[in-house]
Amino acid sequence: EAQVTQNPRYLITVTGKKLTVTCSQNMNHEYMSWYRQDPGLGLRQIYYSMNVEVTDKGDVPEGYKVSRKEKRNFPLILESPSPNQTSLYFCASSSPSKNTGELFFGEGSRLTVL
Amino acid sequence: SQQGEEDPQALSIQEGENATMNCSYKTSINNLQWYRQNSGRGLVHLILIRSNEREKHSGRLRVTLDTSKKSSSLLITASRAADTASYFCAPGGFKTIFGAGTRLFVKA
Repeated sequence: EAQVTQNPRYLITVTGKKLTVTCSQNMNHEYMSWYRQDPGLGLRQIYYSMNVEVTDKGDVPEGYKVSRKEKRNFPLILESPSPNQTSLYFCASSSPSKNTGELFFGEGSRLTVL
Repeated sequence: SQQGEEDPQALSIQEGENATMNCSYKTSINNLQWYRQNSGRGLVHLILIRSNEREKHSGRLRVTLDTSKKSSSLLITASRAADTASYFCAPGGFKTIFGAGTRLFVKA
């Protein structure tokens, strides 16, 4: 089954404790992206990757890091989480070569930073 | 990147009624997608309409596209309580900047 898998789905952590949210897709998609969603603000893009070893900042990259060492994985790293990073996070992937632009989303990771 | 702006922000209807939501965008597009998001869940792709199409149907969904007005509409006919969700348009393909969506509430 084609899917984007995020882990963990729920996490409560404390300020300053490094954490990683993993994202994996099984569709051989070149493009992957991270978003955060906060009430009333829609989805805001954090980072995206057009392919392996190619990453770029989205609209709200501060406080986040990403890496794309393999095509299927695109982890989101919070080196020193702060309470303003409490949010619902989504990973998505797509295949630009298919020319539909359809994004496939993970189920989300709800992060609380105390 | 291209942003879609959905309107209205929120819509409350009775089960069985039709729901119409609109999307506007600013620059020319190749295609436009609509997504649904159930509360707290990931977005799910509903339908794609290409720039050379004016209307497309999928089950109870009807999407129109007016490229001259840079707008699209999503009609859900005979709404059900299970249609309660947020709906987003995506005029920029995978590089879309998402708007706040339309929150649809269907009362049973």
